[in-house]
Amino acid sequence: SYDLTQPPSVSVSPGQTVTINCSGDKVGAPDVSWYQQKPGQSPILVIYQDDKRPSGIPERFSGSYSGNTATLTISGTQQLDEADYFCQAWDSRSVIFGGGTKLTVL
Amino acid sequence: EVQLVESGGGWVKSGGSLRLSCAASGFTFANAWMTWVRQAPGKGLEWVGRIKSEFDGGTTINAAPVRGRFAISRDDSKKMLYLQMNSLRTEDTAVYYCVTDVKVAMDVWGQGTTVTVSS
Repeated sequence: SYDLTQPPSVSVSPGQTVTINCSGDKVGAPDVSWYQQKPGQSPILVIYQDDKRPSGIPERFSGSYSGNTATLTISGTQQLDEADYFCQAWDSRSVIFGGGTKLTVL
Repeated sequence: EVQLVESGGGWVKSGGSLRLSCAASGFTFANAWMTWVRQAPGKGLEWVGRIKSEFDGGTTINAAPVRGRFAISRDDSKKMLYLQMNSLRTEDTAVYYCVTDVKVAMDVWGQGTTVTVSS
């Protein structure tokens, strides 16, 4: 198996852009997903297949990947975006999650 | 509206068994692949396993830490998903989520049910 590495925490000011990276030696298109989890709530899918946004997810959420790193970008970050974010990919026949990144909107 | 409602969580002693259930509504359950994901207190997400639709073979695959102890099953006539957990260990303590699996991502998540395994 392998690991997906995320920074434990990032912070951003309201209205600014923030990026959260997810790196791993098998990260690559097209199957990296990102999930948002607010305290006491279930996760929700915000990005799938690297850069696709499910219906209902605001356009300020975007995803990309380059090399062995997937990136979640939140543009014009709002206070309500404060949450934990998890990346997810596949390893052979099992699902792997990153350790999660706590986003603080200062 | 897609809804997933888990139940069956609780407290159990190490070595014991528990069966979780997930009631699905708002979508064609028989066509859906389904997944269980867990989250230990204060920790990240951990995939438990998935079950394909009967049309796609109905096969299951479990994560290594639960292989041989946990079993996923489904009853399409009742729109129910199950997780039979045997030989429970303290490290199985977690919130267990039932999730729709769209093959490339985990789409809709239930509210979770809490399992506590004590020694």
